[in-house]
Amino acid sequence: NAGVMQNPRHLVRRRGQEARLRCSPMKGHSHVYWYRQLPEEGLKFMVYLQKENIIDESGMPKERFSAEFPKEGPSILRIQQVVRGDSAAYFCASSPGPSEKLFFGSGTQLSVL
Amino acid sequence: GIQVEQSPPDLILQEGANSTLRCNFSDSVNNLQWFHQNPWGQLINLFYIPSGTKQNGRLSATTVATERYSLLYISSSQTTDSGVYFCAVLSGSARQLTFGSGTQLTVLP
Repeated sequence: NAGVMQNPRHLVRRRGQEARLRCSPMKGHSHVYWYRQLPEEGLKFMVYLQKENIIDESGMPKERFSAEFPKEGPSILRIQQVVRGDSAAYFCASSPGPSEKLFFGSGTQLSVL
Repeated sequence: GIQVEQSPPDLILQEGANSTLRCNFSDSVNNLQWFHQNPWGQLINLFYIPSGTKQNGRLSATTVATERYSLLYISSSQTTDSGVYFCAVLSGSARQLTFGSGTQLTVLP
């Protein structure tokens, strides 16, 4: 039973490019969460999705960031026109239902040059 | 929103020692989870413990919801226990966990 799968593990982008981060939840999990972690800091919530629906995006920056979780395929976190401040580790987590035990992927380390 | 405070921020132990990590929260919670982030960045869920006590090997956790705190006990620590321990809570109508700032644990051989 594979865990939460994130790819790529590392992503390097130049300022102004787009970054796409992918997350496949654990089998049987329909709830996906994205968190961002800056160096030496804790995890900050970004967005909570269920299949085809954004449930809570209160932690998402209003510009350049978007997320989706289509009926088929992985959840995608998309960052347009990246800036150096977007450099961070982005973690995806999934759970079988709301308020249930959360399982994390290995994260994507985004570096913006 | 809810405030989550963890203490101590840093802890250094000799292998074999015991330790207690604390998590205080500012409001009632529906859900509390403890995570370990190892030195390679991987986050492992240790406990789902909105109340009561649970044990898993050398680790145990207790949440006293009425007094708004949770404790994580690590006994006979090993170097592989090193990393950051996070407490995360779900409160009120919130739909996502709020994380504390973590306790950085270093276990020396």
